[in-house]
Amino acid sequence: EVQLVESGGGLVKPGGSLRLSCAASGFSFSNAWMSWVRQAPGKGLEWVGRIKSKTDGGTRDYAAPVKGRFTISRDDSKNPLYLQMSSLKTEDTAVYYCTTIVRGVIYYWGQGTLVTVSS
Amino acid sequence: SSELTQDPAVSVALGQTVRITCQGDSLRKYYASWYQQKPGQAPVLVIYGKNNRPSGIPDRFSGSSSGNTASLTITGAQAEDEADYYCNSRDSSGNHVVFGGGTKLTVL
Repeated sequence: EVQLVESGGGLVKPGGSLRLSCAASGFSFSNAWMSWVRQAPGKGLEWVGRIKSKTDGGTRDYAAPVKGRFTISRDDSKNPLYLQMSSLKTEDTAVYYCTTIVRGVIYYWGQGTLVTVSS
Repeated sequence: SSELTQDPAVSVALGQTVRITCQGDSLRKYYASWYQQKPGQAPVLVIYGKNNRPSGIPDRFSGSSSGNTASLTITGAQAEDEADYYCNSRDSSGNHVVFGGGTKLTVL
């Protein structure tokens, strides 16, 4: 059974940093492309970014609102996926979901972790 | 354009058929996927590709596409189908992902 468990969410001040983690199990993590999707309170889904598997180049792509501030990384030896967030803004407040992704299709979602950016 | 457009809300009588649509230029090149999200829960993939259902998704859910419009059809809607539905696809570059704004489905 595929399981994705996010952690690391919490309250952070504007301009601050936070690192989210995603523990993955039940599939070949090292061969998987992974992504982060967020959802602001009461709003729709927004793609944050994606990292390919190392065998496919490990390329990372980001949505325009987070490019230059957020970094996705992976540790294939231990299976976590990370989202390093810096220069956080109030509009980054959202539930952040860790997902698997194949050619744009998001097959599995974690339960999400809430990030609140507020002074 | 990298945007996908959905109607904000749709309603259907119990047992009837409803179609939820998603429009965008990228759909001329890529298939849409559809996700169901119930309150307080993570989204769940219900349709992907030309018209594929993941294991466990009832066959009353189906997908289709024509030109720049993708559709999710629920044939014989049930009370448990009441949820928000989102479409997504790759954008025109193929490197990014875009979501529609979501459609709130009410089953009357």
